Formats: sequence, structure tokens, C-alpha cells
Amino acid sequence: DVKVTQSSRYLVKRTGEKVFLECVQDMDHENMFWYRQDPGLGLRLIYFSYDVKMKEKGDIPEGYSVSREKKERFSLILESASTNQTSMYLCASSITQGSNQPQHFGDGTRLSIL
Amino acid sequence: AQKITQTQPGMFVQEKEAVTLDCTYDTSDPSYGLFWYKQPSSGEMIFLIYQGSYDQQNATEGRYSLNFQKARKSANLVISASQLGDSAMYFCAMREGGYGQNFVFGPGTRLSVLP
Repeated sequence: DVKVTQSSRYLVKRTGEKVFLECVQDMDHENMFWYRQDPGLGLRLIYFSYDVKMKEKGDIPEGYSVSREKKERFSLILESASTNQTSMYLCASSITQGSNQPQHFGDGTRLSIL
Repeated sequence: AQKITQTQPGMFVQEKEAVTLDCTYDTSDPSYGLFWYKQPSSGEMIFLIYQGSYDQQNATEGRYSLNFQKARKSANLVISASQLGDSAMYFCAMREGGYGQNFVFGPGTRLSVLP
């Protein structure tokens, strides 16, 4: 089974801090994704990466950056956390080829910015 | 433009009854895949079932089946014999193209199974 591991289930940080959310997958997937999930808004794509050191902006990249130095690891960075970034963050991975392949998700990180 | 529509924010169903969760989609790509995910209150997203645009038959996985109507661009999830553990958020998603890398998710439907 595919395993996507997010470093924290719950995280509390303060406004202005630099925050790192880590995600690791063990299935050699090319693609990795970061979403945020807010009530009534569903999942919104922040960034995705289709290869090492490659990244593409999603729908809501403002205030975030990402890093993918190794194929298995995809990090989301909040450069200067703000209260409106309090949310549930979900990491996912998938293989590139074939539209029949699902995304596999981690358990999510509930981030609170005080 | 929203590509995935789920018109039911919340649904209730009695235990052991069947329930249908609606999903309509919009794409001009002839090759696409449709997915349903379940998200319990604990937060993890669980992949349930897949339907390809070229599949001739409706997908089934255990108690889950997909009512795929291509001309209407709908892919409704049917859960038979509902169980209390089925209470969760359900998301419909679409991936376009044979090499498409991105998924589009609907806003979700919250299903509550009543004892």
C-alpha cells in the first residue's frame, strides 16, 4: 500500500513564524501536491511538483512556498505565518501516467496560527 | 468555472438503506477519470472508487458503485446498505487527460447515517 506521511497531525504556531510542513511518500511517485481544506471550500491546490526541484503554482500559492530536493519529500513553507493560514493541510502523491491513477493522501495537518 | 459540482451539502440516510451522492462535472477532454474519496472526521482522505471516461460499465467496489452517465456528465456515488461508519464527507474529483497531473475536487457532501 502507498504510504504518505505528514510530519504532524496538529501544529500550533504564532503569527510571523516561519512554518515547515513535511510530507514523505514511499511509492516513488513523480507527483506530489499540497492542498488546504477549509469548511465549505473543499480542497484548494496550493502547489504541486512533478519532479525533483520542479514546482508549479496551484490556485492559492500566495503566502506559501515549497521545496522538493528529493523525490520522496515535499515540503510546504509558510514564510511568515498569518492567522488566515489556519487550516487543514493535506499532502498527496500520484504517478504521472494514466488518468486512472488516484491521488494518495496523508492524514493531514491541522495548523493553528495564533 | 467550477469543474466539479456536488449540489448536496448534507445528506441523511437510515442505516441499512441505500444512498446516492450526486456529482456533475465539466470537461472538454475526451480522456478523463472520475474519483470518489471519503473523509471521516479524523481527516484522512480515503480513495473509494474510480470511473474512466472510456469505461463501458459502471464501476463497483464492494458496497460502492458509480452511476456514470457520460452524456449528462454525471458520476453519482451509490452506497448500498449504509453503515454508521459511512458517516463522513465525500468528495468527487476529476483528473483530465492521459498524462494529466492535476485533480479538481468538488466541495463535498456530508453524509450522516442514522441508527
